[in-house]
This record gives sequence, structure tokens and C-alpha cells, in this order.
Amino acid sequence: GAVVSQHPSWVICKSGTSVKIECRSLDFQATTMFWYRQFPKQSLMLMATSNEGSKATYEQGVEKDKFLINHASLTLSTLTVTSAHPEDSSFYICSVGISDNEQFFGPGTRLTVL
Amino acid sequence: GQNIDQPTEMTATEGAIVQINCTYQTSGFNGLFWYQQHAGEAPTFLSYNVLDGLEEKGRFSSFLSRSKGYSYLLLKELQMKDSASYLCAVVDSNYQLIWGAGTKLIIKP
Repeated sequence: GAVVSQHPSWVICKSGTSVKIECRSLDFQATTMFWYRQFPKQSLMLMATSNEGSKATYEQGVEKDKFLINHASLTLSTLTVTSAHPEDSSFYICSVGISDNEQFFGPGTRLTVL
Repeated sequence: GQNIDQPTEMTATEGAIVQINCTYQTSGFNGLFWYQQHAGEAPTFLSYNVLDGLEEKGRFSSFLSRSKGYSYLLLKELQMKDSASYLCAVVDSNYQLIWGAGTKLIIKP
């Protein structure tokens, strides 16, 4: 398996500010990481697939200029929510792809935009 | 430490019933999720339990016992499309998700 951490766990920010969320694979070199967002009691919505050393692949409807993803190393991917607004308040979850069929999920980051 | 245990793999027959167990040891408890994930797809929400008891939703039911740190997902009238991984996740006292490694369910005709 893989141990995945996220930082911060919680973030509260003012509307218009940018927030960076880190996802770390602690014991596995991850060429692929995934970013999801989740609204209460709903399915995880895949936002983008992050590949080490290359540009992320965004899902339809996800603004790549608003949700900046950087996967600069095999153990770290970052998601930056630029100019956050209250509608961006959500639970952001990353996962590490071990194989085509297996992912290990991080604990999530709760973003609240005031 | 925090820990979620669920079987790695289970096999069942089409039309039958299968129960996937999940036991947890976490710092606090604010609910338990079950998700279904088909290969290459995002996890799909199945259920959320925060109170003890059984919640039924069509062919799928989820049970929770907080005193025992135990939950199960019950799938009835299994169909081939139910072949997937089933993920158990607990929300801890900090409202963080603690994930199980998932149970791969194989359905045979």
C-alpha cells in the first residue's frame, strides 16, 4: 500500500485569496496522483490526474487556470485554488495511483472560503 | 494509531448475497462511508452511517455498530456489474477521512 498525507487538514480563507494544498506519498514513489473534491454525502468528483513531470489532465468542467496542479516530484503534488470563492468550499482529497486498479487516498483537506 | 481493516478480496456468485466487513480504530468518530469504485473510475458514494443500525437502500444495505467499531456493507441479488472495489472510510474527530484499503469483489456467473 501507500501512506498518503495532506496539508493542511483545515483551511479557512477570505474570498479572493489563493490556497495551496499539498499531497504527499510518504512511502511510495507516485508517478500518478489524483485530485478529487467531495460535497457532503456525495461521490468523489475527479478533478484532475496529476502525472509527475508533466501537465495535469483535467476533467471536463474543471477550470485548469483556477485549480493549478503541480506534480514536481514523485512524492509531492500540490493543488492551488486561485482566487477562491465561497462556492469552492469543499473537501479536497488526493490519492496515489499504485496500479491501474488501485489507489490509496489521503485524509482530505477541508476548505472553507468566507 | 488509526486503523481501518477490511478484507482484501472476496468472491461471490451472481444472484447471491455478500457481506463486506469493516472494522475501525480511530481517534473519534463522525461517521462512516462506503464507496464503490470500478477500475479506472472515481469512487461512487453508496452510504453514510453515523448512528447505529441498518440502513437499506435498494440492493445495498449498510450496518454500523459504534460500540464495536464495526460496519458491514450487504449486497443482495448480486449482478456482474457489482464487481468492483468497495472502500470503507471513517471520519475521525478532526473530520479527516481514514480510508480502508478496499475490498475487491469478484462476481462469478
